[in-house]
Amino acid sequence: LAKTTQPISMDSYEGQEVNITCSHNNIATNDYITWYQQFPSQGPRFIIQGYKTKVTNEVASLFIPADRKSSTLSLPRVSLSDTAVYYCLVGGTGRRALTFGSGTRLQVQP
Amino acid sequence: DGGITQSPKYLFRKEGQNVTLSCEQNLNHDAMYWYRQDPGQGLRLIYYSQIVNDFQKGDIAEGYSVSREKKESFPLTVTSAQKNPTAFYLCASSIMAGVGNNEQFFGPGTRLTVL
Repeated sequence: LAKTTQPISMDSYEGQEVNITCSHNNIATNDYITWYQQFPSQGPRFIIQGYKTKVTNEVASLFIPADRKSSTLSLPRVSLSDTAVYYCLVGGTGRRALTFGSGTRLQVQP
Repeated sequence: DGGITQSPKYLFRKEGQNVTLSCEQNLNHDAMYWYRQDPGQGLRLIYYSQIVNDFQKGDIAEGYSVSREKKESFPLTVTSAQKNPTAFYLCASSIMAGVGNNEQFFGPGTRLTVL
């Protein structure tokens, strides 16, 4: 399974753009990159998924360079409610379940 | 409403007792998963099931058991062999396991405390 590395924590202020980068040097050809968000005492929630280049939805963008060895989750104009833990997952090849790492704890301040 | 439910939300048990956590989904998903989360940590996979009557061990299966007799249900039993069972347990489901763009949907979790 491809191992992922993300920063343990990040701080930001309301209204700023936040970029969280995840390294996945051993990503396999058929692997997708998926990001989840988790609030305390809740289950993680799917944010966005991509395979290459750029993906955008109503809450975030995901940038994936050509070599796919890293990816960047971009949260535009964060608010206090974006304070959460963000997990980067890589997988989807074969029948093995995805593996969650320790995630990045984002703290948004007023 | 379609979704995934876990019960109970909080569970207290005495040391040495087995306890079973419930997980039900009505999303018609084939795959179901159990994760454990300790304070300040990420999720660790306990067991997962890709189809009825079949399941595979995850990274930390020791001291746990599961069954998958129905597509909708994937109960987890925490046995007395689990050395440190106090944790937050999360159940999830997906259309299929490990296939392409395979979003997992999570339940609200059960917080188990062993006294």
